[in-house]
Amino acid sequence: KAGVTQTPRYLIKTRGQQVTLSCSPISGHRSVSWYQQTPGQGLQFLFEYFSETQRNKGNFPGRFSGRQFSNSRSEMNVSTLELGDSALYLCASFQGQGAGELFFGEGSRLTVL
Amino acid sequence: AQSVTQLDSQVPVFEEAPVELRCNYSSSVSVYLFWYVQYPNQGLQLLLKYLSGSTLVKGINGFEAEFNKSQTSFHLRKPSVHISDTAEYFCAVSPNTGGFKTIFGAGTRLFVKA
Repeated sequence: KAGVTQTPRYLIKTRGQQVTLSCSPISGHRSVSWYQQTPGQGLQFLFEYFSETQRNKGNFPGRFSGRQFSNSRSEMNVSTLELGDSALYLCASFQGQGAGELFFGEGSRLTVL
Repeated sequence: AQSVTQLDSQVPVFEEAPVELRCNYSSSVSVYLFWYVQYPNQGLQLLLKYLSGSTLVKGINGFEAEFNKSQTSFHLRKPSVHISDTAEYFCAVSPNTGGFKTIFGAGTRLFVKA
Protein backbone atom coordinates (compact mmCIF):
# COMPACT_ATOMS: atom_id res chain seq x y z
CA LYS A 1 0.00 0.00 0.00
CA ALA A 2 1.48 3.34 -1.01
CA GLY A 3 2.13 5.82 1.77
CA VAL A 4 1.30 9.50 2.00
CA THR A 5 2.86 11.48 -0.83
CA GLN A 6 3.66 15.17 -0.58
CA THR A 7 4.86 17.39 -3.38
CA PRO A 8 7.03 19.28 -3.83
CA ARG A 9 9.56 18.11 -1.25
CA TYR A 10 11.56 21.35 -1.31
CA LEU A 11 10.79 24.82 -2.54
CA ILE A 12 12.13 28.33 -2.24
CA LYS A 13 9.93 31.40 -2.52
CA THR A 14 10.32 35.11 -1.88
CA ARG A 15 8.25 37.29 0.40
CA GLY A 16 4.89 38.24 -1.02
CA GLN A 17 4.60 35.22 -3.31
CA GLN A 18 2.12 32.41 -2.81
CA VAL A 19 2.63 28.66 -2.66
CA THR A 20 0.51 25.57 -3.12
CA LEU A 21 1.44 22.24 -1.55
CA SER A 22 -0.11 18.92 -2.44
CA CYS A 23 -0.84 15.78 -0.45
CA SER A 24 -2.09 12.39 -1.61
CA PRO A 25 -3.30 10.28 1.32
CA ILE A 26 -3.17 6.53 1.72
CA SER A 27 -5.74 4.82 -0.46
CA GLY A 28 -9.03 4.54 1.40
CA HIS A 29 -8.22 7.26 3.92
CA ARG A 30 -10.74 10.08 3.86
CA SER A 31 -9.17 12.48 6.35
CA VAL A 32 -6.19 14.72 5.71
CA SER A 33 -4.58 16.97 8.31
CA TRP A 34 -1.91 19.62 7.77
CA TYR A 35 0.74 20.68 10.26
CA GLN A 36 3.47 23.32 10.28
CA GLN A 37 6.71 22.19 11.92
CA THR A 38 9.34 24.70 13.02
CA PRO A 39 12.33 24.20 15.37
CA GLY A 40 11.30 24.46 19.00
CA GLN A 41 7.59 24.81 18.20
CA GLY A 42 6.78 21.22 17.41
CA LEU A 43 3.86 20.59 15.10
CA GLN A 44 1.24 23.30 14.89
CA PHE A 45 -2.15 22.15 13.62
CA LEU A 46 -3.34 23.99 10.52
CA PHE A 47 -6.55 22.23 9.47
CA GLU A 48 -8.19 18.89 8.87
CA TYR A 49 -10.43 17.81 6.00
CA PHE A 50 -12.81 14.90 5.73
CA SER A 51 -14.83 14.11 2.62
CA GLU A 52 -14.07 17.53 1.13
CA THR A 53 -15.22 19.39 4.27
CA GLN A 54 -13.02 21.24 6.73
CA ARG A 55 -13.80 19.73 10.13
CA ASN A 56 -11.21 21.53 12.24
CA LYS A 57 -9.04 24.59 11.92
CA GLY A 58 -6.03 25.79 13.91
CA ASN A 59 -5.07 29.30 14.88
CA PHE A 60 -3.43 30.48 11.69
CA PRO A 61 -4.20 33.65 9.73
CA GLY A 62 -6.47 33.59 6.71
CA ARG A 63 -3.43 33.53 4.42
CA PHE A 64 -3.36 29.80 5.09
CA SER A 65 -6.09 27.88 3.31
CA GLY A 66 -6.75 24.39 2.11
CA ARG A 67 -9.12 22.16 0.27
CA GLN A 68 -9.80 18.52 -0.37
CA PHE A 69 -10.91 16.92 -3.58
CA SER A 70 -13.35 14.09 -4.16
CA ASN A 71 -10.46 11.60 -4.44
CA SER A 72 -9.29 12.71 -0.94
CA ARG A 73 -6.21 14.45 -2.29
CA SER A 74 -5.63 17.75 -0.52
CA GLU A 75 -3.88 21.01 -1.21
CA MET A 76 -2.89 23.83 1.06
CA ASN A 77 -2.13 27.34 -0.05
CA VAL A 78 -0.23 30.12 1.63
CA SER A 79 -0.63 33.58 0.12
CA THR A 80 1.50 36.68 0.66
CA LEU A 81 4.38 34.69 2.09
CA GLU A 82 6.30 36.01 5.08
CA LEU A 83 9.76 35.03 6.31
CA GLY A 84 8.16 33.34 9.31
CA ASP A 85 6.31 30.93 7.03
CA SER A 86 9.56 29.07 6.42
CA ALA A 87 8.89 25.61 7.83
CA LEU A 88 8.35 21.96 7.12
CA TYR A 89 4.71 21.39 6.19
CA LEU A 90 3.51 17.93 7.03
CA CYS A 91 0.43 16.18 5.77
CA ALA A 92 -1.11 13.27 7.64
CA SER A 93 -3.83 10.90 6.55
CA PHE A 94 -6.29 9.04 8.73
CA GLN A 95 -9.03 6.63 7.87
CA GLY A 96 -11.54 9.17 9.12
CA GLN A 97 -13.55 7.78 11.99
CA GLY A 98 -12.85 6.63 15.52
CA ALA A 99 -9.45 6.53 17.14
CA GLY A 100 -6.36 5.75 15.25
CA GLU A 101 -2.95 6.80 14.15
CA LEU A 102 -2.01 9.48 11.71
CA PHE A 103 0.15 8.44 8.77
CA PHE A 104 2.56 11.18 7.79
CA GLY A 105 4.20 12.13 4.56
CA GLU A 106 7.83 13.26 4.47
CA GLY A 107 6.82 16.88 4.25
CA SER A 108 7.34 19.88 2.02
CA ARG A 109 10.15 22.12 3.18
CA LEU A 110 9.39 25.74 2.35
CA THR A 111 12.04 28.42 2.54
CA VAL A 112 10.94 32.05 2.21
CA LEU A 113 13.65 34.55 1.32
CA ALA B 1 -9.16 22.45 24.29
CA GLN B 2 -6.14 20.24 24.70
CA SER B 3 -2.47 21.02 25.26
CA VAL B 4 0.67 18.92 25.53
CA THR B 5 3.87 19.74 27.40
CA GLN B 6 7.03 17.78 26.83
CA LEU B 7 9.19 18.58 29.80
CA ASP B 8 12.59 18.08 28.18
CA SER B 9 13.62 19.60 24.87
CA GLN B 10 16.78 17.46 24.67
CA VAL B 11 17.83 14.24 26.40
CA PRO B 12 21.39 12.98 25.97
CA VAL B 13 22.00 9.42 27.10
CA PHE B 14 24.66 6.75 26.70
CA GLU B 15 24.01 3.65 24.66
CA GLU B 16 22.45 0.77 26.63
CA ALA B 17 21.28 3.14 29.40
CA PRO B 18 17.58 3.50 30.25
CA VAL B 19 15.68 6.59 29.19
CA GLU B 20 12.42 8.33 30.09
CA LEU B 21 10.87 11.09 27.99
CA ARG B 22 8.26 13.03 29.91
CA CYS B 23 4.89 14.20 28.66
CA ASN B 24 2.08 15.98 30.50
CA TYR B 25 -1.21 16.97 28.96
CA SER B 26 -4.29 18.94 29.83
CA SER B 27 -7.77 18.45 28.49
CA SER B 28 -11.35 19.14 29.48
CA VAL B 29 -12.45 15.85 27.87
CA SER B 30 -11.08 12.33 27.82
CA VAL B 31 -8.33 11.84 25.29
CA TYR B 32 -6.41 9.30 23.32
CA LEU B 33 -2.64 9.52 23.76
CA PHE B 34 0.15 8.86 21.30
CA TRP B 35 3.91 8.90 20.94
CA TYR B 36 5.43 9.45 17.50
CA VAL B 37 9.06 9.37 16.39
CA GLN B 38 10.68 11.43 13.64
CA TYR B 39 14.01 10.40 12.16
CA PRO B 40 16.04 13.03 10.24
CA ASN B 41 14.44 14.15 6.99
CA GLN B 42 11.42 11.93 7.47
CA GLY B 43 7.83 12.29 8.51
CA LEU B 44 6.52 11.03 11.83
CA GLN B 45 5.66 7.42 12.56
CA LEU B 46 3.66 5.97 15.43
CA LEU B 47 5.54 4.38 18.33
CA LEU B 48 2.55 3.51 20.51
CA LYS B 49 -0.91 4.65 21.52
CA TYR B 50 -3.24 4.54 24.50
CA LEU B 51 -6.93 4.33 23.74
CA SER B 52 -8.35 2.57 26.82
CA GLY B 53 -7.74 -0.41 29.10
CA SER B 54 -4.36 -1.25 30.56
CA THR B 55 -2.42 1.87 31.45
CA LEU B 56 0.90 0.33 30.38
CA VAL B 57 1.23 0.35 26.65
CA LYS B 58 3.95 -1.37 24.66
CA GLY B 59 5.06 -0.12 21.27
CA ILE B 60 7.59 -0.77 18.59
CA ASN B 61 11.38 -0.88 19.04
CA GLY B 62 11.12 -1.81 22.74
CA PHE B 63 9.42 1.41 23.86
CA GLU B 64 6.61 1.51 26.38
CA ALA B 65 4.55 4.25 28.03
CA GLU B 66 2.37 4.50 31.09
CA PHE B 67 -0.83 6.51 31.24
CA ASN B 68 -1.37 8.20 34.60
CA LYS B 69 -4.78 9.85 34.69
CA SER B 70 -4.38 11.51 38.09
CA GLN B 71 -1.12 13.15 37.05
CA THR B 72 -2.25 13.65 33.44
CA SER B 73 1.01 12.17 32.23
CA PHE B 74 2.07 9.75 29.53
CA HIS B 75 5.81 9.21 29.91
CA LEU B 76 7.76 7.17 27.37
CA ARG B 77 10.42 4.71 28.52
CA LYS B 78 12.96 2.31 27.11
CA PRO B 79 15.14 0.12 29.37
CA SER B 80 18.17 0.11 27.05
CA VAL B 81 18.66 2.53 24.16
CA HIS B 82 20.61 2.07 20.94
CA ILE B 83 22.40 4.57 18.74
CA SER B 84 19.61 4.08 16.20
CA ASP B 85 17.08 5.51 18.69
CA THR B 86 18.54 8.97 18.13
CA ALA B 87 15.56 10.94 16.83
CA GLU B 88 12.91 13.44 17.85
CA TYR B 89 9.97 12.14 19.83
CA PHE B 90 6.55 13.76 19.96
CA CYS B 91 3.76 13.20 22.46
CA ALA B 92 0.26 13.84 21.11
CA VAL B 93 -3.37 13.85 22.26
CA SER B 94 -6.70 13.80 20.51
CA PRO B 95 -10.15 14.00 22.09
CA ASN B 96 -12.05 10.73 22.24
CA THR B 97 -15.24 12.55 21.41
CA GLY B 98 -14.44 12.57 17.74
CA GLY B 99 -12.81 15.96 17.46
CA PHE B 100 -10.34 14.61 14.92
CA LYS B 101 -7.75 17.19 15.90
CA THR B 102 -4.48 15.75 17.16
CA ILE B 103 -2.36 18.17 19.19
CA PHE B 104 1.38 17.63 19.46
CA GLY B 105 3.95 18.66 22.01
CA ALA B 106 7.07 20.60 21.05
CA GLY B 107 9.15 17.42 20.84
CA THR B 108 12.08 15.91 22.72
CA ARG B 109 15.32 15.31 20.90
CA LEU B 110 16.88 12.05 22.13
CA PHE B 111 20.60 11.84 21.47
CA VAL B 112 22.21 8.47 22.16
CA LYS B 113 25.97 8.56 22.63
CA ALA B 114 28.39 5.66 22.19
